[in-house]
Formats: sequence, C-alpha cells, structure tokens
Amino acid sequence: DTGVSQNPRHKITKRGQNVTFRCDPISEHNRLYWYRQTLGQGPEFLTYFQNEAQLEKSRLLSDRFSAERPKGSFSTLEIQRTEQGDSAMYLCASSKGTGFLAKNIQYFGAGTRLSVL
Amino acid sequence: TQLLEQSPQFLSIQEGENLTVYCNSSSVFSSLQWYRQEPGEGPVLLVTVVTGGEVKKLKRLTFQFGDARKDSSLHITAAQPGDTGLYLCAGGHQFYFGTGTSLTVIP
Repeated sequence: DTGVSQNPRHKITKRGQNVTFRCDPISEHNRLYWYRQTLGQGPEFLTYFQNEAQLEKSRLLSDRFSAERPKGSFSTLEIQRTEQGDSAMYLCASSKGTGFLAKNIQYFGAGTRLSVL
Repeated sequence: TQLLEQSPQFLSIQEGENLTVYCNSSSVFSSLQWYRQEPGEGPVLLVTVVTGGEVKKLKRLTFQFGDARKDSSLHITAAQPGDTGLYLCAGGHQFYFGTGTSLTVIP
C-alpha cells in the first residue's frame, strides 16, 4: 500500500494557461474523489468517480474543469484557461467498497498546490 | 448544501491544557467524521461517529455525536505540540467538510 499519489506537488502557471493534475489512488480502491482547498479552509468537493464512471459533480466544477478516470485506475483533473481564483490546493482521495458511501474511509493524497500568476 | 460550521476557527493554547472543538449543522447527518490535517499534507481520518449520542475515545481525544445527529464535538485532554494541525469535521457522504479549526499547541 503506497498511499494516494498526486503529481505534481506544486504547479505555477500564468493566467489563461491549461493545467493537468494526476492522481494515482491506492490500488484496488474503486472510488476516487477530487477536492479543492484554500488556505485555512476545509476541502470543497469537486467530483467523484466509482470505477471509471463520474457519478457526481459539484456546481463548483465550472465548464473549465474536467476530470477523467478512463480505466478506473488513475485520474486526471484538467483546468482550462486558468484564472487567479483557481489558485488552491487540489486534493485527491480514494476509498474502496460499493456500499454506503459514509462507511467508506477516504485516504487523501498530499495534494497539488496550484498558483496562477 | 449541507453546511458544517466549526468553532472556534483558531485556537492557540499552552501544552497541557484541555480544549473542545465544535462542529454544528442545521442538517441531520447519518454519520460524521473527524480529520486532522498537517501543513502540506492531506487530511487523515481520526474517527467516524454514526449513532446519536455516541462517544468515542482515541487516547487523549474524545469525540461525541449529538443526540439529534446535527452536531459533534472533539475534546482533547492535556494537549501536546504534536496535536497541532487543522481539525476538520465532515458529514454524510464525506463530501461536505466543515470550515476547520486551526489548533496550535505551544510547548
């Protein structure tokens, strides 16, 4: 069990550029979650996958944001035409199980910190 | 949106003191989770409470779920510098996190 891995750890980009983050969940975890967190605040839910299916998306996820999990393993989160307001920590978590979501323990990665200049 | 409010937002105490952090909502949750997050890391789950009125203990940490399952508290006895971090509650499907309590324990 190597834990949830996120790459890169830090990303600095200029406004208007596209960025892509990768998340490798714990192997055999079929659920994967993306969150956004600003300094000193709790994580805000963005989207959730069960295997390759994207089952839920937050209204926070504007049309500039897209997430994929093509083979039900790793996931990518892409932000197009970045804005300064996108600067935040982007966290990925994974869990296993197919039952009641609240009983699933989420394991978080260390996050990708995005800075948009 | 199920809003979870935590209080206090910031807490700075001396080593050895006791403290309580609160998590409140107007919504009923089937369960609540407490996490601790250290700088530069993701949140780590401490405990899940499921039954109204439930009390769980984890060494010096005591967690309580309100009878109506709308609120929860975390009590730390004899705080240590290693307890420093951001404490987060999360509800229901764990999609909704609280606003967080940043705890600093001064040696």
